[in-house]
Amino acid sequence: DGGITQSPKYLFRKEGQNVTLSCEQNLNHDAMYWYRQDPGQGLRLIYYSQIVNDFQKGDIAEGYSVSREKKESFPLTVTSAQKNPTAFYLCASSSPVGRGDTEAFFGQGTRLTVV
Amino acid sequence: GQQLNQSPQSMFIQEGEDVSMNCTSSSIFNTWLWYKQEPGEGPVLLIALYKAGELTSNGRLTAQFGITRKDSFLNISASIPSDVGIYFCAGQDNTNAGKSTFGDGTTLTVKP
Repeated sequence: DGGITQSPKYLFRKEGQNVTLSCEQNLNHDAMYWYRQDPGQGLRLIYYSQIVNDFQKGDIAEGYSVSREKKESFPLTVTSAQKNPTAFYLCASSSPVGRGDTEAFFGQGTRLTVV
Repeated sequence: GQQLNQSPQSMFIQEGEDVSMNCTSSSIFNTWLWYKQEPGEGPVLLIALYKAGELTSNGRLTAQFGITRKDSFLNISASIPSDVGIYFCAGQDNTNAGKSTFGDGTTLTVKP
């Protein structure tokens, strides 16, 4: 089945450590996104990529890094520079503007807890 | 950046009642999207709207793209307990790489 897979579902990290969240899609979408969700709040955009080997900062990129070496994969690294990393992280993908419907489809999320 | 105002923030209703929620924006969007999120899961797309004035239904759900392109509403008729969740609106501006701007969500509780 086509979809977006995020792993792991739950992740615990010690303070000062970097951690990488995985996101894979087989929808043949060019665009991919990472959002952060805090309790009782909406989704805030961290990074997005419209095409392989290119990505752009979103609204809250500080303390995060990404790569887009393959169309199917868009991993997010939460670095030790991120002051408050405990949150629910959501990955999404969509077709780019001009190539049909542009609605984003989401993975099931990764809950990161810093201990 | 662009801001979406989604209201109400939360709703507590009795099973069988109808529900209405809306989003407004200070800027124009070319696409409006409505998602539902259940606890611990990613948002699931309910309805996508691409044209001003468009009215689209998906089962008991109906959404409209406001004629000014600055607002959208979602109605749920005859609510049932499984309607519980957080409903998000999102707007897309096609000049902005197809990125979605999300509202803060409406938390719906349905009492049996």
